[in-house]
Amino acid sequence: AQTVTQSQPEMSVQEAETVTLSCTYDTSESDYYLFWYKQPPSRQMILVIRQEAYKQQNATENRFSVNFQKAAKSFSLKISDSQLGDAAMYFCAYRTVTGTASKLTFGTGTRLQVTL
Amino acid sequence: EAGVAQSPRYKIIEKRQSVAFWCNPISGHATLYWYQQILGQGPKLLIQFQNNGVVDDSQLPKDRFSAERLKGVDSTLKIQPAKLEDSAVYLCASSLVKATRTEAFFGQGTRLTVV
Repeated sequence: AQTVTQSQPEMSVQEAETVTLSCTYDTSESDYYLFWYKQPPSRQMILVIRQEAYKQQNATENRFSVNFQKAAKSFSLKISDSQLGDAAMYFCAYRTVTGTASKLTFGTGTRLQVTL
Repeated sequence: EAGVAQSPRYKIIEKRQSVAFWCNPISGHATLYWYQQILGQGPKLLIQFQNNGVVDDSQLPKDRFSAERLKGVDSTLKIQPAKLEDSAVYLCASSLVKATRTEAFFGQGTRLTVV
C-alpha cells in the first residue's frame, strides 16, 4: 500500500523568507502523480502544485516549486517570498495511475505559520 | 465555474443518531470522492464513485456508513448510528473521467460533532 509521510507537524517562516516542507512516500509503482494541497481555516483543499513522476523537470507555480527526487521518493515544497496568506495546513498527496480505482492518499499535514 | 458544493457546513448530533451529508460535484466530473478528516490528520478516502458506480469503498465502515450517487451526479453520505469517533470533517471532491490525470477539486466540507 502507498504511504505518504510528512515529518514536520509545524513550520514557521518570516514574511518574505523561503521555507521548505518535506514529504516522502512509499510505492512500488513507476508511474504516479504527486500533489501539494493547501487547506486554510475555511477547510477547502486547494491545489498548490502537481508533479508527474515521469517528468524529470521539477514543477513550478509562481512562488511555489518542488524538489522531486524519484529515486529517494522525496517530494518537498519550497515557498519563496512567503506571504501572510500562505499560512495554512499543507498536505502532500500521492495518486497512482493504474486502474480506475486510483485513490488520492494524503500525508498527515504540516501547519505553516507566517510571521511578520 | 461553480465548485463542489456541500451541505450542511456544520452538524452536531448525539451518539446513536443518524446524519446525512450532501454533495454536488463540479458539472461534468464523473469521479466523486468522500473523505473523512479527523482533527490533526490527513483526509482518508471513504468511498469513490465513477459515475453512479462504486469503484472503491474498502475503508468505508459499512455497518454504519452508506453512500449513494443517484444518476451519477449528486451524492449523499449517511451515518447511522453515529459514534463519538465519527466526529470529523467530511470532504467531498470530484474530478474528470480520466481521474488519474487530473487533480481532485474539493468542497468546503461538513464538520460533524458527535456528543
